Amino acid sequence: DSGVTQTPKHLITATGQRVTLRCSPRSGDLSVYWYQQSLDQGLQFLIQYYNGEERAKGNILERFSAQQFPDLHSELNLSSLELGDSALYFCASSVGLVAVGYTFGSGTRLTVV
Amino acid sequence: DQQVKQNSPSLSVQEGRISILNCDYTNSMFDYFLWYKKYPAEGPTFLISISSIKDKNEDGRFTVFLNKSAKHLSLHIVPSQPGDSAVYFCAASARDRDDKIIFGKGTRLHILP
Repeated sequence: DSGVTQTPKHLITATGQRVTLRCSPRSGDLSVYWYQQSLDQGLQFLIQYYNGEERAKGNILERFSAQQFPDLHSELNLSSLELGDSALYFCASSVGLVAVGYTFGSGTRLTVV
Repeated sequence: DQQVKQNSPSLSVQEGRISILNCDYTNSMFDYFLWYKKYPAEGPTFLISISSIKDKNEDGRFTVFLNKSAKHLSLHIVPSQPGDSAVYFCAASARDRDDKIIFGKGTRLHILP
């Protein structure tokens, strides 16, 4: 158990739908990062939050959004889902702003049918 | 734009021999490099890192070498063990700029009995 909790572990939904992925960071970590792992794309950085504020944005689609709440948990919202959004979505957390290494959760596998 | 490249999707090595995983990067702003290991159905776990002020870092059976002029790093595992079979991600960050980590696509290492 890495200390980073992601729910749900698996999600199957239809095209056009909206889903919410949840992440609870490791105790004491203020930064949360979201990554997408598609079949041939490795780990693609989506977005980072630090202590409730958006800190950095990567290749995140406009249909996707995220937020970090006062209790530091984060949610990634994916809307108007397409087949190509099927992927593993990982959340990671770290203590401070300068990431010398993250702790990853075990991921949410999203399947869009 | 792949800033961190792992050109070998897979590698097979005999148990007891040395495993060498390679990684190239293009962004000269990167000053911190990491290797992560991933087993199926789990999130990536941090393995070893190296700062750009060093050219070698060793941790037990794992050694990372950095050649800044060639923008190349490698991970050596000696001796290779069956439990080393996993996907290995090379990653880099530019800590002065921001704190996101950019990952390569990964190399799947198979340790053969």
